[in-house]
Amino acid sequence: DGGITQSPKYLFRKEGQNVTLSCEQNLNHDAMYWYRQDPGQGLRLIYYSQIVNDFQKGDIAEGYSVSREKKESFPLTVTSAQKNPTAFYLCASSGGFEETQYFGPGTRLLVL
Amino acid sequence: QKEVEQNSGPLSVPEGAIASLNCTYSDRGSQSFFWYRQYSGKSPELIMFIYSNGDKEDGRFTAQLNKASQYVSLLIRDSQPSDSATYLCAVKGGTSYGKLTFGQGTILTVHP
Repeated sequence: DGGITQSPKYLFRKEGQNVTLSCEQNLNHDAMYWYRQDPGQGLRLIYYSQIVNDFQKGDIAEGYSVSREKKESFPLTVTSAQKNPTAFYLCASSGGFEETQYFGPGTRLLVL
Repeated sequence: QKEVEQNSGPLSVPEGAIASLNCTYSDRGSQSFFWYRQYSGKSPELIMFIYSNGDKEDGRFTAQLNKASQYVSLLIRDSQPSDSATYLCAVKGGTSYGKLTFGQGTILTVHP
């Protein structure tokens, strides 16, 4: 069963805490992405990676960090420097002729 | 000027009617265009993509692209209440390279 998985579905962060969101794909896609979505808003790109051990900042990278040690995995850490982390976080991967992006189910991050 | 613009709606159509969703983009070098559907609380799912001027049909959905006018649209024929969702337009290519730039989405409501 191919696809993209994200965990957890809901995540609660305390003040000053770093939290890590998991994203795994078994589609054999080279590129992976992290987006943030706020209520009533479109998707904003946080980080993306086109190949293992390489990643680039997106439009809103401040307060976030990523790693890409395996092709299948692209975890996102929301650091304490991100002062407004409450949002819906979406992971995507892309492949194929048009590099079409497919999304995981998302993680909703809430601040306690 | 936003890079990708959509009317946020809500757009309300009766069941069985044609729903027309519009999107304009600012990067004239954009190459590929995607429509995603997002149900409330869920992640976006791909409906279709288009990269050549003209129409592309897939079932009840038709994407229309006019690169000269920098305009892409999605028509939904025989609209059903299950089509009620937010529709996201995404654009790739030109100065954004392989990344997608999303519009803020149009909320569609199909009423019985």
